[in-house]
Amino acid sequence: RKEVEQDPGPFNVPEGATVAFNCTYSNSASQSFFWYRQDCRKEPKLLMSVYSSGNEDGRFTAQLNRASQYISLLIRDSKLSDSATYLCVVILRSNDYKLSFGAGTTVTVRA
Amino acid sequence: DTGVSQDPRHKITKRGQNVTFRCDPISEHNRLYWYRQTLGQGPEFLTYFQNEAQLEKSRLLSDRFSAERPKGSFSTLEIQRTEQGDSAMYLCASSFSGGAGETQYFGPGTRLLVL
Repeated sequence: RKEVEQDPGPFNVPEGATVAFNCTYSNSASQSFFWYRQDCRKEPKLLMSVYSSGNEDGRFTAQLNRASQYISLLIRDSKLSDSATYLCVVILRSNDYKLSFGAGTTVTVRA
Repeated sequence: DTGVSQDPRHKITKRGQNVTFRCDPISEHNRLYWYRQTLGQGPEFLTYFQNEAQLEKSRLLSDRFSAERPKGSFSTLEIQRTEQGDSAMYLCASSFSGGAGETQYFGPGTRLLVL
């Protein structure tokens, strides 16, 4: 079993729609969680950190469910520019720094 | 541009050749990481440095791979006797050690193709 697993998608949604997807992680002791965005043939860029109480950044909402060991990302009012691969990222162990990535969820927003 | 830079951006080589990549981190960042990404997968950790000390190496980093960060600034990743399976995007990231959850900033990557 992979340490970080994501639904690969693709999610094809019209502009203005809401899209949401999850990611599960293997280590219940994991402390740090992030969503990165990666455009085609570009480097990953931090979209947002995920906090225990859940957090919002504009149209993006991230949630953490420690009991079930998953995090989620919801995109409201999708824009064409939201088309990208969204990478779920976890620091799996305490006192660790390396990032463990899921394989990514592809989102395509169509006009 | 004060972000992470990597050189070269693309490299095509023949199997068996040696290649070396360079990463220049954000100037005040003391941690530097190398990751590898193949098509359809997320990046996988290879190794990381705190200042000039290499503190962790993944099992993915075979003995054909070596990384250095001699003065705690830029880093090099060398692959000896390249194999077709080494074809991937090699990503460098840097961060400042500010506690748990510090943000890693990625460079544009070096795309390696081994023929």
